[in-house]
Amino acid sequence: RKEVEQDPGPFNVPEGATVAFNCTYSNSASQSFFWYRQDCRKEPKLLMSVYSSGNEDGRFTAQLNRASQYISLLIRDSKLSDSATYLCVVYQAGTALIFGKGTTLSVSS
Amino acid sequence: GAVVSQHPSWVICKSGTSVKIECRSLDFQATTMFWYRQFPKQSLMLMATSNEGSKATYEQGVEKDKFLINHASLTLSTLTVTSAHPEDSSFYICSARDLEFIYGYTFGSGTRLTVV
Repeated sequence: RKEVEQDPGPFNVPEGATVAFNCTYSNSASQSFFWYRQDCRKEPKLLMSVYSSGNEDGRFTAQLNRASQYISLLIRDSKLSDSATYLCVVYQAGTALIFGKGTTLSVSS
Repeated sequence: GAVVSQHPSWVICKSGTSVKIECRSLDFQATTMFWYRQFPKQSLMLMATSNEGSKATYEQGVEKDKFLINHASLTLSTLTVTSAHPEDSSFYICSARDLEFIYGYTFGSGTRLTVV
């Protein structure tokens, strides 16, 4: 079983749509959780951290369910510029970040 | 914010040659450096972790004699792909963190290696 699993997509949505990505992780000792965004042939960039209480940053909302070992990212009012691959990332103390394979989003006009 | 400069951005080399990739932390001390590899449509896979002044710790399946990592200073780590083969063609990315985790994980811009 992979440590971090994501639906690879692609998700093809029109501008203005709301889209949700899911992620599960296998190690219950994981401590911190993130969503990164990666554009084609670029390095990943931190989009937002994910907290147990849920957190929002503009059009982006992240949720964490530790009991189910499940993380989600919701994007509202999608923009063309949101087209990218979204990486679910998990951290355990003393280790490197562990990346999911990523979910590809394509927003069209 | 923290910046990691990675060079070269892309390189094409012949089979059998060696390629060195450099990562420099520009405004913080990178006590730990991580090297990742990403094949097309795959996730970033951790290759090795290096602490300044120590030998790197390699992940299972990564040949330490093929992927030489040097982390001799707090601002510079290098990855040398020795005797490169076409199957080594990939996107290599470094990530650095400081001791107190003030800056989180900072990524270099990546190196696209093509071995012909």
